[in-house]
Amino acid sequence: DSGVTQTPKHLITATGQRVTLRCSPRSGDLSVYWYQQSLDQGLQFLIQYYNGEERAKGNILERFSAQQFPDLHSELNLSSLELGDSALYFCASSVPIRGFNYGYTFGSGTRLTVV
Amino acid sequence: DQQVKQNSPSLSVQEGRISILNCDYTNSMFDYFLWYKKYPAEGPTFLISISSIKDKNEDGRFTVFLNKSAKHLSLHIVPSQPGDSAVYFCAASDTNAGGTSYGKLTFGQGTILTVHP
Repeated sequence: DSGVTQTPKHLITATGQRVTLRCSPRSGDLSVYWYQQSLDQGLQFLIQYYNGEERAKGNILERFSAQQFPDLHSELNLSSLELGDSALYFCASSVPIRGFNYGYTFGSGTRLTVV
Repeated sequence: DQQVKQNSPSLSVQEGRISILNCDYTNSMFDYFLWYKKYPAEGPTFLISISSIKDKNEDGRFTVFLNKSAKHLSLHIVPSQPGDSAVYFCAASDTNAGGTSYGKLTFGQGTILTVHP
């Protein structure tokens, strides 16, 4: 158990639907990162939150949004789902050292299948 | 634009031998590099890292080498063990980046390592 909890582990939904993925970071970690891993692709950075505020943004689609709550858990919302959104979604958390996050701790991921 | 590339999708090695996993990057601003290991149904776990001020970092059976002029790094596992069989991801970061790139790690596509008994 890495200490980063992601729910649900698996999700099957239809095109056009909306889903919410949830992440609880390790105790004490202020930063949460979301990554997408599609088939044969590396981990693609989506978005980062730090202590409730959006800090960095990657190639996140406009149909996707995220937030981090006061208790530091984060949710990734995916709407108007398409078949191509099927992927593994990972959340990671970290504590900054000298202003930089030298390593993430990943959760076990949510496997999203859009049918 | 794939800034971090792992050109070998897979590698097969005999137990006890050396495993060498390679990674190339294109962004000259990257100054911190990491390797992660991933087992099926689990998230990636941090393995070893190296700063651009070094050319080598060792941790037990794992050594990472960095060749800045070639923009190339490699992970050596000696001796390889069957339990090392996993997907290995190379990642890189620009620790001086601000704005929208702050704290972001850029990952390669991963290399599947299989260590045969």
